[in-house]
Amino acid sequence: GNSVTQMQGQVTLSEEEFLFINCTYSTTGYPTLFWYVQYPGEGPQLLLKVTTANNKGSSRGFEATYDKGTTSFHLQKASVQESDSAVYYCVLGSNSGGSNAKLTFGKGTKLSVKS
Amino acid sequence: GGIITQTPKFLIGQEGQKLTLKCQQNFNHDTMYWYRQDSGKGLRLIYYSITENDLQKGDLSEGYDASREKKSSFSLTVTSAQKNEMAVFLCASSISGGALSAETLYFGSGTRLTVL
Repeated sequence: GNSVTQMQGQVTLSEEEFLFINCTYSTTGYPTLFWYVQYPGEGPQLLLKVTTANNKGSSRGFEATYDKGTTSFHLQKASVQESDSAVYYCVLGSNSGGSNAKLTFGKGTKLSVKS
Repeated sequence: GGIITQTPKFLIGQEGQKLTLKCQQNFNHDTMYWYRQDSGKGLRLIYYSITENDLQKGDLSEGYDASREKKSSFSLTVTSAQKNEMAVFLCASSISGGALSAETLYFGSGTRLTVL
């Protein structure tokens, strides 16, 4: 089946520090990869998505590269702000894997940014 | 733009009780979804519907029923609430051009369930 691994459950940074959130995936074929962000008290919202292997997606200073060779889709931001504090989900979109759920969510990484 | 409205925001139930959660969207999207969110477990799909009166089971459908009464609304029923259960139920919609695995989901802010 399909799977998404986010090893970091929680990341704590100070403002202007570099952010790196690890995400690896397992599937067959050519999936679509997403990052969703969930602010406190809200539902998740799309941060960025990439449909083509070896392409990079970017939004609001965040970027992620769909690396088919290493099956990774790490999220990065050069300089975080306190307003970036949220839970970040790496998500795999695939029609393979035998599940009726076309999207597979990682467990999420909670980012806390201190001023 | 559009919005997804989930009611109620907070739901407290008793063990064994049947509980219904409601969701409305004004995006005019074809596909609607119900996800369960547990701390540290990500989001898991319960049911989805690609059109009015359609229902498709997700990976977590046991213990739940769903109903797509009309294009704009999708309700979820917990058939028998489990004691000490705590979770957030998220409703979402997508435009559905046919490739569900590549579509962007738009989420509501959730219903928080507590079972005493």
